This record gives sequence, C-alpha cells and structure tokens, in this order.
Amino acid sequence: EVQLVESGGGLVKPGGSLRLSCAASGFTFSNYNMHWVRQAPGKGLEWVSSITYRSTYIYYADSVKGRSTISRDDAKNSLYLQMNSLRAEDTAVYYCAREDCGGNSCSYYYMDVWGKGTTVIVSS
Amino acid sequence: EIVLTQSPGTLSLSPGERATLSCRTSQTVSSSYLAWYQQKPGQAPRLLIYGASRRATGIPDRFSGSGSGTDFTLTISRLEPEDFAVYYCQQSPGSPIFTFGPGTKVDIK
Repeated sequence: EVQLVESGGGLVKPGGSLRLSCAASGFTFSNYNMHWVRQAPGKGLEWVSSITYRSTYIYYADSVKGRSTISRDDAKNSLYLQMNSLRAEDTAVYYCAREDCGGNSCSYYYMDVWGKGTTVIVSS
Repeated sequence: EIVLTQSPGTLSLSPGERATLSCRTSQTVSSSYLAWYQQKPGQAPRLLIYGASRRATGIPDRFSGSGSGTDFTLTISRLEPEDFAVYYCQQSPGSPIFTFGPGTKVDIK
C-alpha cells in the first residue's frame, strides 16, 4: 500500500524549533518530488516547500523562507522539514504529499498521495 | 505570482442536485497543471481531477472537470451524501511549485 506517515508535530513556544518527518512506503520514494503543505485551523491549504528527486532543486513559500529547511533521505524513504523561529502563524496541520506527473508522458503536475498530517501548535 | 479565486465560497445544495464550482486564475495557466482536490473534515485532501479534466484513479464519473485559460470548472453531476466537503483547485507554474485556491465548501441545504 502506498503510504505517507508524518510525525514530529507538537506544542512549541514562539521562537522554538521542530523537525517534522514523513515516512514513505509502498513506492520508490527516490523517484518522486515531495512536498510539505500546511493548513491552519479553519483555513485553506498552503503549499510550504518542495524538494525534487535527488534533492536537485528546493523551493519554499515566502512565509517560511529563511526559517525552514526541507531535506530527504532516500535510503530511509523519509522526508523532513526543519522549522526554526516558529511563530503563532505557523500553527497548522502539516501534510506530506507526493507529486506525480501522469505516467510516462509526465505532462501534469499534481499531488496524488497525502499523509494524514501532523499538528504543530506554536503558543506560549 | 498567479492568484486562484474560487467561487462561490459556499454552495448549499441537496443530495441529487448538480454542483458547479468555479476556479479562476489571475493569469492564463496551462490546463495540464490545473487540479482539483476534495477535503472532508479531519481528513487529508484527496486528488479528484488533474490536467483540468482527467479523473484520478478511483474517482467516480459523477465528478468532471473542464476549462482552459483562466476559467476552470469542477462539476458534480448528482451529489451523493459523501460529496459534501471542501473543494480546492490547484495550479502549478512549473513543478515543483504549487498554489491552491481558497476553497469552496459544498454543504447540505
């Protein structure tokens, strides 16, 4: 079964740090671009960061740029998000998601597999 | 930066009715990079449509997508009880950067 399982969320004080993890199984993790997407309470989805296969390219949303670092360990089938200088507005459910591109033609961009999410609460 | 606008914000309908959800982009985007997701309370998003009109694996044929340029539509032909949820459109200016719309909530009238 194709699966993504996030962990590492929790309650942290403003200015603190957290490292989120995402364990992948059921597919060849190293072949895929991977993403973090978050959702603040009662709000919509916000793309946070992405890393291409082989870690060739890395991108961040402006809201986390300079405070977060995405990484992957293909040997461990794992994706990570190191978050520093956390703010109240970083409070959200953080989802790990796999990007696919529609088979051999690779003509499309979408996220086809999502984890259940891990909750980050930034509060004093 | 391309901005996505979804309308209406909330759509109140009865089971069996047709739902038409709109997603507009601030600039012309490629249909290949337009997708739709469904999210139910407490659950992760689920891919419904990619490439503007292609149903993802396992998605019932009552869900259909259409559109091009800056105007895209998700249609649910006959609402089933399990279809009441929030729907998001997503576009990508190029992998691996994505943008989501604010969502449309489909609730029971």
